Amino acid sequence: SQKIEQNSEALNIQEGKTATLTCNYTNYSPAYLQWYRQDPGRGPVFLLLIRENEKEKRKERLKVTFDTTLKQSLFHITASQPADSATYLCAPQTDSWGKLQFGAGTQVVVTP
Amino acid sequence: EPEVTQTPSHQVTQMGQEVILRCVPISNHLYFYWYRQILGQKVEFLVSFYNNEISEKSEIFDDQFSVERPDGSNFTLKIRSTKLEDSAMYFCASRPNKKDTQYFGPGTRLTVL
Repeated sequence: SQKIEQNSEALNIQEGKTATLTCNYTNYSPAYLQWYRQDPGRGPVFLLLIRENEKEKRKERLKVTFDTTLKQSLFHITASQPADSATYLCAPQTDSWGKLQFGAGTQVVVTP
Repeated sequence: EPEVTQTPSHQVTQMGQEVILRCVPISNHLYFYWYRQILGQKVEFLVSFYNNEISEKSEIFDDQFSVERPDGSNFTLKIRSTKLEDSAMYFCASRPNKKDTQYFGPGTRLTVL
């Protein structure tokens, strides 16, 4: 069955450093991979989408890579700020228009 | 900026009771979804809805669940006879077309006692 794995341990990082999160998937070949942010008690908020033919995507201080050989995506937050503290969810998809299947998420805590 | 809205924000009900969770998707959106998140667990897909019919549903979405778009603005999720294990956050999402991403509402916290 399809599996999506994200680091279950919280990532504690100092303000100004780069946070790197990992998303691994098995038993399927997604054509797209999305990253969402979720704050406590709130719905997921879309951040970035990367396609299988794109190696890297950037948006402001965020960077996503997608390695279909390793079946892995890396999500980077550069120059992290306390406001970046949240849980980050990855969602590999086989098609762009169907349901989203999320990983369990990785919590990021940025301390001043 | 347009947002998906959900009501109520918190619903408390007794086991066996029916509940209706309401969502108002963004106005020009055509695809609608319900997800749930049990406390401490991942966000799980329940059902997708397009052109006034269900396009896909998960194993969780059994006969106790139903969805409806009763008018041009609301999208509802009904649970006929709630169980303790239905306690969760329920998120509605919508998207304007197949290529755009999904926009999530703030959620309804359902507590079944």
